[in-house]
This record gives sequence, C-alpha cells and structure tokens, in this order.
Amino acid sequence: AQKVTQAQTEISVVEKEDVTLDCVYETRDTTYYLFWYKQPPSGELVFLIRRNSFDEQNEISGRYSWNFQKSTSSFNFTITASQVVDSAVYFCALSGLNTGNQFYFGTGTSLTVIP
Amino acid sequence: EAQVTQNPRYLITVTGKKLTVTCSQNMNHEYMSWYRQDPGLGLRQIYYSMNVEVTDKGDVPEGYKVSRKEKRNFPLILESPSPNQTSLYFCASSPAGGLYNEQFFGPGTRLTVL
Repeated sequence: AQKVTQAQTEISVVEKEDVTLDCVYETRDTTYYLFWYKQPPSGELVFLIRRNSFDEQNEISGRYSWNFQKSTSSFNFTITASQVVDSAVYFCALSGLNTGNQFYFGTGTSLTVIP
Repeated sequence: EAQVTQNPRYLITVTGKKLTVTCSQNMNHEYMSWYRQDPGLGLRQIYYSMNVEVTDKGDVPEGYKVSRKEKRNFPLILESPSPNQTSLYFCASSPAGGLYNEQFFGPGTRLTVL
C-alpha cells in the first residue's frame, strides 16, 4: 500500500528561524516519485519540487532544501531563515509506477511564521 | 494564460439534488484528476483520467462520477449529494505521464451539502 505520513500537524516558528517539515512514505514500488506542494492562506496549491526514487541527491532552491533518504523512507523539507510569506500548509505526495497513476497525499503540515 | 478553471467556486445545495462541477484546462494536458480536501485528512484522490475516454477510480470514488469526452474538460458529477460530501474540491492536470509530472491545480470549489 502507498501511504504518506506527515506527523507534524501544526508548527509555529519565529521569523528567521529554520524549520524542517517531515514526510515519511510507504511504498512497495521500486520506482516512485515524491512531491511537495504549498497551500498558502489564499487556498491555491503550488508545486514546489519533485524527486524520483533513483535520485537521492539533496536539493536546494534558495531558502528551501529537501533531504531524500531512502534508508528511512523520508523526504524532509527545510526552510532556512523562515519568513512570514512561508506561512502555509505544506503537503507531501507520492506516486508509484506499479500502482497506477494515483497520487497519495499526506495530511499536511500547517506552518505559521510569527513576525 | 495557462490555467485550470473550475466552476462554480462556491456551491450550497441540498441532499439529493444532482450537481456538476466543471473543470477545464488550456494546457493540452493528458492527465486530469479530482481531489477532495478535508480537515485532518489532506487531499484524497477521487478519480483521474489518463486521456480522453479513460478514467479510473482514486481512493474515494463512492458517490461521484466523472467523464472525459474532451481532452480539456473533466467534470465531476454528484448524482445524489449527501452531507458527507461537503468538502473543498480541487481539479488538477498534468502533461502526459501524470505519474511523474507536477500537477497544476484549479482554484478549488467549496461545496456545502445541507
């Protein structure tokens, strides 16, 4: 079965602090894809990153970085020097080659950055 | 402008009254999908479509129907809505090979069933 767990329901940090959002996944597929999406208070869903199961390189994009570790089935997201505009709900998602073209989302982590 | 549009954005209806939520994309994407978002449950996939006339069930298809007669449109039909279908609904699309591509989401439709 495919499953994504985001154990942190809500996180609050003070502006400029670093914060890590956890994502743990379960899959029987050997080929799979992991995603992060952001949902700001305005409600739209915005794609942040995609990673395939064969690429364990960490990725950095400005203040955002992602740590993919197959050994622990985790795909964690770190925001460095958080800003108020980072306040949003963040979703981790999974799709697998052998489980059709379905997507499985986690329950989301609501991040509040306090000025 | 490349986008996914949904209509209506807000809808209040009563139990049993059939309704359709439309979804249209102008990016010539092959993959389209419907999700519902509920507090504490995240997004759950209802149905998806790999191409015209090809649709498949997601995790929570009960009570919903879809059709894909044209590439750009993917309407969600609730034949007999019930209060447990009160939710925020998102339509999404992505290029061929939806499995590994980013999805582009519509603005959402907030549905209340009384």
